[in-house]
Amino acid sequence: GIQVEQSPPDLILQEGANSTLRCNFSDSVNNLQWFHQNPWGQLINLFYIPSGTKQNGRLSATTVATERYSLLYISSSQTTDSGVYFCAGPISSGSARQLTFGSGTQLTVLP
Amino acid sequence: NAGVTQTPKFQVLKTGQSMTLQCAQDMNHEYMSWYRQDPGMGLRLIHYSVGAGITDQGEVPNGYNVSRSTTEDFPLRLLSAAPSQTSVYFCASSRTGSWALNTEAFFGQGTRLTVV
Repeated sequence: GIQVEQSPPDLILQEGANSTLRCNFSDSVNNLQWFHQNPWGQLINLFYIPSGTKQNGRLSATTVATERYSLLYISSSQTTDSGVYFCAGPISSGSARQLTFGSGTQLTVLP
Repeated sequence: NAGVTQTPKFQVLKTGQSMTLQCAQDMNHEYMSWYRQDPGMGLRLIHYSVGAGITDQGEVPNGYNVSRSTTEDFPLRLLSAAPSQTSVYFCASSRTGSWALNTEAFFGQGTRLTVV
């Protein structure tokens, strides 16, 4: 199956700063999602973004499927942005029904 | 619209006990799955189902059983709990398991299970 690598593993920001999180895939994907796991453990859907760019408020995401990566941009970060950010994509061969997660980026936004 | 609902949110079991984690979705999704999340391991797939009556194993199926008698429900059974099954469990659903189609996955709130 595909391997999903996220970087950086940890990120500490001052409130108001911008950041970019990266997700690399070892194989092509036609389905990619970004999630935010908040401090209470809930997995919140951020973006479903197989390709192109999407924006939702202060967050935006870009996936370049041909180059096997996706980026999540957080602008003007707030303390409520803290948590773990995961990207996930499907295994593209064999069983096409498994969503593989990266190990996540732990984001801490300081007031 | 409730989405994906998991119960219970917290559970403590003794080694050897059995229990069922419940998962229900009200979006008429074909595809449902169970993951466990452990520190440093990310989320790993336990079992999945592409429709009522059809289930299959994921990456870490040992010690767990599933069934899918209806489209809405996908319970996960621990047959004889072990401390290694201490984890956070997530249920997820998507419209279809075909990755060629729009298959955004939605997750429940999680069940934190401790086996002592």
